[in-house]
Amino acid sequence: ILNVEQSPQSLHVQEGDSTNFTCSFPSSNFYALHWYRWETAKSPEALFVMTLNGDEKKKGRISATLNTKEGYSYLYIKGSQPEDSATYLCAFPEEAAGNKLTFGGGTRVLVKP
Amino acid sequence: EAGVAQSPRYKIIEKRQSVAFWCNPISGHATLYWYQQILGQGPKLLIQFQNNGVVDDSQLPKDRFSAERLKGVDSTLKIQPAKLEDSAVYLCASSLGWAPTYEQYFGPGTRLTVT
Repeated sequence: ILNVEQSPQSLHVQEGDSTNFTCSFPSSNFYALHWYRWETAKSPEALFVMTLNGDEKKKGRISATLNTKEGYSYLYIKGSQPEDSATYLCAFPEEAAGNKLTFGGGTRVLVKP
Repeated sequence: EAGVAQSPRYKIIEKRQSVAFWCNPISGHATLYWYQQILGQGPKLLIQFQNNGVVDDSQLPKDRFSAERLKGVDSTLKIQPAKLEDSAVYLCASSLGWAPTYEQYFGPGTRLTVT
C-alpha cells in the first residue's frame, strides 16, 4: 500500500489571498501525479496530470509544481476566490499499467469573502 | 460531451439490506473504476474494468460486494448485505485508457448511509 499524504488537511483563506499546500508521494517508481478538485455536491474534476520532474502546470489562478526526486508536489492558488472552495486531492498511480490511483486524504480549502 | 452518470445520488438503507448503484461512463471510455470514499479520507479504488474484464479488484470485499460491466459500457456495483461501515460516497470514473497519464473523469457519486 503506497503512502500518499497531503497537508494541511484543511485551511481557511481570506478572499484575495494566495495559498499553497503539499502532496508527498513515494519518490521511487514514479509514473505520474494527478491533481483533482472536488467541490461539494459536484463531481471530482481533473486539474493536472504531471509527469516530468520540474514540471509546472497552470490553469487560470491555479498552478502546480513537481519534484519527483524528493517526492512532493505543491498546488498554488493565487488570489483565492470563494469559488475555489473545494477539496483538492492528489493521486499517485501504483504501477506503469492499470492507472490504479492511490489518493491522498485531501486538503479542504475554504475561501472566506 | 456528456459526463459520467451515476444513480441514485443518495440512498439510505438499514444494515443487512442490499443496494445497487449504476454507472454510465463517457462514451468510448474503455476503462471504468469504482471508488469508495469514506468521510475524511481520499477515495479508495474498489474495482477497475478494462472493457468488460476486471483488471483489479484486490480491494473489493468480495464476501459482500460485487460488480459487473455489461457489454463493456454500463456498470453496476452491489452490496449485499450492507454493514454500517459501508456508509460512504461511491464514485464511478472512466478514462480513455489505462496508462498512468490518463486523467479519470468522475461522476457525481452516490452517498450511501447505512443505519
